[in-house]
Amino acid sequence: EDQVTQSPEALRLQEGESSSLNCSYTVSGLRGLFWYRQDPGKGPEFLFTLYSAGEEKEKERLKATLTKKESFLHITAPKPEDSATYLCAVQALDSNYQLIWGAGTKLIIKP
Amino acid sequence: DGGITQSPKYLFRKEGQNVTLSCEQNLNHDAMYWYRQDPGQGLRLIYYSQIVNDFQKGDIAEGYSVSREKKESFPLTVTSAQKNPTAFYLCASSDSGVYGYTFGSGTRLTVV
Repeated sequence: EDQVTQSPEALRLQEGESSSLNCSYTVSGLRGLFWYRQDPGKGPEFLFTLYSAGEEKEKERLKATLTKKESFLHITAPKPEDSATYLCAVQALDSNYQLIWGAGTKLIIKP
Repeated sequence: DGGITQSPKYLFRKEGQNVTLSCEQNLNHDAMYWYRQDPGQGLRLIYYSQIVNDFQKGDIAEGYSVSREKKESFPLTVTSAQKNPTAFYLCASSDSGVYGYTFGSGTRLTVV
């Protein structure tokens, strides 16, 4: 069964303290892996798409990486405005373009 | 600016009532989706449509209905058969799904 697991469920960091969020997946064949950011009471906002193992993408303080079994979202020197829930989703080759979602990691950056 | 508009932002439903959530997009995307989000859970797919006048059930379609009469619009009706409708509802669209989804700002539905 196709599945996505995100860890940890919640992460509290001090401003400037770098860390990583994990997204582990099992899927028959990967078409793409997606990272989204969601603020409270709002819809998810697209961050990155990764397609193959070894691929990396960066945006400001965020960098996403991909292996054959998991993806990491690295956050470098975070600021309080980076506080949000980060969602991971995968799209399988035989999925008719449907996404399978993880439950998310709630990130809190304290000033 | 192109995007997805969901309305209303907040909706209250009485027991036994049907309510309709609106979703309109001006991105010229072919595919549209409805998700339900509950605290601590991932997004769960209710219905999706890849072309006008056609739609498919997702994982939790019971108690919900949709229509897709126009490319731009994909309204969701929460019927009285849905026993636990209190949740955050998200509409999304995609250009064939390959490049990710664009989401609306959501509708929070509460049963009173």
